[in-house]
Amino acid sequence: DQQVKQNSPSLSVQEGRISILNCDYTNSMFDYFLWYKKYPAEGPTFLISISSIKDKNEDGRFTVFLNKSAKHLSLHIVPSQPGDSAVYFCAAPAASNDYKLSFGAGTTVTVRA
Amino acid sequence: NAGVTQTPKFQVLKTGQSMTLQCAQDMNHEYMSWYRQDPGMGLRLIHYSVGAGITDQGEVPNGYNVSRSTTEDFPLRLLSAAPSQTSVYFCASSYRQGAYQPQHFGDGTRLSIL
Repeated sequence: DQQVKQNSPSLSVQEGRISILNCDYTNSMFDYFLWYKKYPAEGPTFLISISSIKDKNEDGRFTVFLNKSAKHLSLHIVPSQPGDSAVYFCAAPAASNDYKLSFGAGTTVTVRA
Repeated sequence: NAGVTQTPKFQVLKTGQSMTLQCAQDMNHEYMSWYRQDPGMGLRLIHYSVGAGITDQGEVPNGYNVSRSTTEDFPLRLLSAAPSQTSVYFCASSYRQGAYQPQHFGDGTRLSIL
C-alpha cells in the first residue's frame, strides 16, 4: 500500500508555462518531503525538499507547497524549460523509521517547444 | 569525482542463477541503500546500511542479500534469480544517516531474468 501517491502519470506543458505536479500522502506522521528528478538511463537526482513546519519552499524556478490538512503537496516549475522534461518523484521518510524513504510512482513531464 | 558507481549497467540472467550487483561510492558516505524501480510503482527500498558492518531490511528484501564490509562498497546479491526480480536497480548514498538527507544515486543496473 503506497503511502505516497502521485496520481498523474504524465503531464505535458508548453515551454514557458507553469508545470504543476501533485503528490498526496496518507500518513499524517510524515514530517519531511523530497522531490527527485530522473532523466532516462540516469539515476534520480535531488531537486528540492520541504519540512512540515513550512508551507512553502522555493529554489529558483522550483517551488514546493505543502498543505498538511489536505495531506497534499505540489511542485511548481515556472517557467518550464525543455530541460525539465523528466520523471519527477515525490518521497517521504517513513514515520516509523527515518532511514526508510517511500517514493511515489512518479510523474513524467514533457515540455513542448 | 565518480560519485556512486554501479556495475554492470545491463545483465540478463536465467531463472535460478545467482549474481552480485556492485555499488561503490567515493564520497565517504555512511548511509547506502538499494532500490528497485518497476513501472507504475516508483522506487522501493530493498536493503540499506547505516555504516560498515550494519545492514537492515527495507520494503522488499526477499530474495536479496547485502553486506557492508567497507564504507565504500555495498553489493547486492540475488541468491536464485526469479522473473519477478526483473527490474532496474539503483544504489544510493548520503553523507549523513537517514532518509531526510538528499541521496546520491548511481545510474542503475537494468536486470532481466528469463
